[in-house]
Amino acid sequence: KQEVTQIPAALSVPEGENLVLNCSFTDSAIYNLQWFRQDPGKGLTSLLLIQSSQREQTSGRLNASLDKSSGRSTLYIAASQPGDSATYLCAVEGRGSTLGRLYFGRGTQLTVWP
Amino acid sequence: NAGVMQNPRHLVRRRGQEARLRCSPMKGHSHVYWYRQLPEEGLKFMVYLQKENIIDESGMPKERFSAEFPKEGPSILRIQQVVRGDSAAYFCASSGLFYEQYFGPGTRLTVT
Repeated sequence: KQEVTQIPAALSVPEGENLVLNCSFTDSAIYNLQWFRQDPGKGLTSLLLIQSSQREQTSGRLNASLDKSSGRSTLYIAASQPGDSATYLCAVEGRGSTLGRLYFGRGTQLTVWP
Repeated sequence: NAGVMQNPRHLVRRRGQEARLRCSPMKGHSHVYWYRQLPEEGLKFMVYLQKENIIDESGMPKERFSAEFPKEGPSILRIQQVVRGDSAAYFCASSGLFYEQYFGPGTRLTVT
């Protein structure tokens, strides 16, 4: 059974810092990996999707890497801003009979203070 | 292109009542997924549907819960005889075939 773990559970930093959020998963047979952002009481916003054949994806100040063989992904946030404060979720999609099923970590709660 | 729509956004039910949660996928999407987020827990997969078909319901409790995605109209997640433990945020996502999932704003169910 796929297990997804995110470290750290919470992070509080001053504005301007470069950040690293970590995600690990137990079964490397994945179809893709997604990073989401969730604001309190709101839905999920997709940030980046990395196909299993890819190594990284970039969007603006965000960069996500994937090392499927070791079961790890990292989300880098450059020059953090208070508006980045949210919970960041990592999810992997299974393959075969579990295609379509996203397995989520419990998230990293990020606070960026001015 | 409107995003994934869910209604109601908030739903309060007394124990024993039925809850019906609706999800309209993004235009052009024929795949719908339901997830549940219990307080202080991560999101858990419940069910994956295509039009008129249940593809994977392995994450759905065997009793009291059902889901459908009819040929016309929204997908419905139905919870019969709700209990306090059903209080959670229920999220719907949609996708095209083998594409990324886009999530709706969720329905927050409170059982009193």
